Amino acid sequence: AQKVTQAQTEISVVEKEDVTLDCVYETRDTTYYLFWYKQPPSGELVFLIRRNSFDEQNEISGRYSWNFQKSTSSFNFTITASQVVDSAVYFCALSGKNYGGATNKLIFGTGTLLAVQP
Amino acid sequence: ETGVTQTPRHLVMGMTNKKSLKCEQHLGHNAMYWYKQSAKKPLELMFVYSLEERVENNSVPSRFSPECPNSSHLFLHLHTLQPEDSALYLCASSQGTGRNTDTQYFGPGTRLTVL
Repeated sequence: AQKVTQAQTEISVVEKEDVTLDCVYETRDTTYYLFWYKQPPSGELVFLIRRNSFDEQNEISGRYSWNFQKSTSSFNFTITASQVVDSAVYFCALSGKNYGGATNKLIFGTGTLLAVQP
Repeated sequence: ETGVTQTPRHLVMGMTNKKSLKCEQHLGHNAMYWYKQSAKKPLELMFVYSLEERVENNSVPSRFSPECPNSSHLFLHLHTLQPEDSALYLCASSQGTGRNTDTQYFGPGTRLTVL
């Protein structure tokens, strides 16, 4: 079965602190993709990153970094020097089987609400 | 307009009303999706369309009726809804390569309240 677990329901930090959001996944597929999305209060899910199962290099984009560890089935997301604008719900997702045609399934975690206090 | 747009952004309707949600993608994608997001619950996939053909109906009640007239537009027709249908309805699109590499891009959602 495919599953994504985000054990942290809510995290509260003070501005400028570093924060790590955890994501653990389960899949039997040998080739798969992992995603992170951000959902600010406005509601839209904003795509942040996609990582394939063969690429375990860490990725850094500005204050954001991602740590993919296949051995522990984890794909954690770190925000360095957090800012109030980082306050949002963050979702981790795993690519699943295709439905047919030209579509693919995403299995989402339940999300982590990050509150950054000024 | 760029990306994925949804209208209306907010909708309040009575249980006997009929309304429609509209989604439009400006990304040249071939696949479109409807999701439901209720408070305190995970994202629920409702429908998937590939090249205007429905390829997935995730056990959604018949009071929700999707329509995809072309690859850029997706509608969700609503009738005789229940209060528990109140939620954020999100539309997404993906390129439609048929591989699991595709990234889904989401619209801003329609926040629906059923009275």
